[in-house]
Amino acid sequence: DAKTTQPNSMESNEEEPVHLPCNHSTISGTDYIHWYRQLPSQGPEYVIHGLTSNVNNRMASLAIAEDRKSSTLILHRATLRDAAVYYCILRGQTGANNLFFGTGTRLTVIP
Amino acid sequence: DADVTQTPRNRITKTGKRIMLECSQTKGHDRMYWYRQDPGLGLRLIYYSFDVKDINKGEISDGYSVSRQAQAKFSLSLESAIPNQTALYFCATSDLNRWIAGGPNEQFFGPGTRLTVL
Repeated sequence: DAKTTQPNSMESNEEEPVHLPCNHSTISGTDYIHWYRQLPSQGPEYVIHGLTSNVNNRMASLAIAEDRKSSTLILHRATLRDAAVYYCILRGQTGANNLFFGTGTRLTVIP
Repeated sequence: DADVTQTPRNRITKTGKRIMLECSQTKGHDRMYWYRQDPGLGLRLIYYSFDVKDINKGEISDGYSVSRQAQAKFSLSLESAIPNQTALYFCATSDLNRWIAGGPNEQFFGPGTRLTVL
């Protein structure tokens, strides 16, 4: 599976937007870009996914570069509850389609 | 009630003991997974099962075995526990049909089992 690169940590002030970057320069044409997050003392939870176009849902937005070599998870107004580790994961359409987690980005939200 | 449950939530055991971690789900999903997480690291896949007759090794299966007793139950065993198996263990499920339909094959995780091997 293609690899992703994320910053180890980021900080944001409460109620401000947060842009979490992810580089995936070896992404293949059929790889979906997935984001999961892990709140303290919990299992990971799905946030959003996309293939080529930008995506929005109730939790976040996903902006995908035109060449698909990078993407950005956008939290429009960070809350204290958004403090978590965010994982950017590529998912292929063949094989086992399992999730391969890296170390993610630890987001700290400052009140 | 939680859709994916794990028992026990915490376990302390000694080197050489046999340990079983259990996972149950009420989501009706066919796929189930076991991951472990070490401090400061992401999750690594141990085993996965696409149905009761299908068991597959993941990235780090050595020292572990699994049993898929029913569609809703997937157990992870440590035949002879060792200290470097001290970790947080997560079970997850996903829906094959949702993947076939073009969905993201979203995985749903349990709350985790914290295992300490002394």
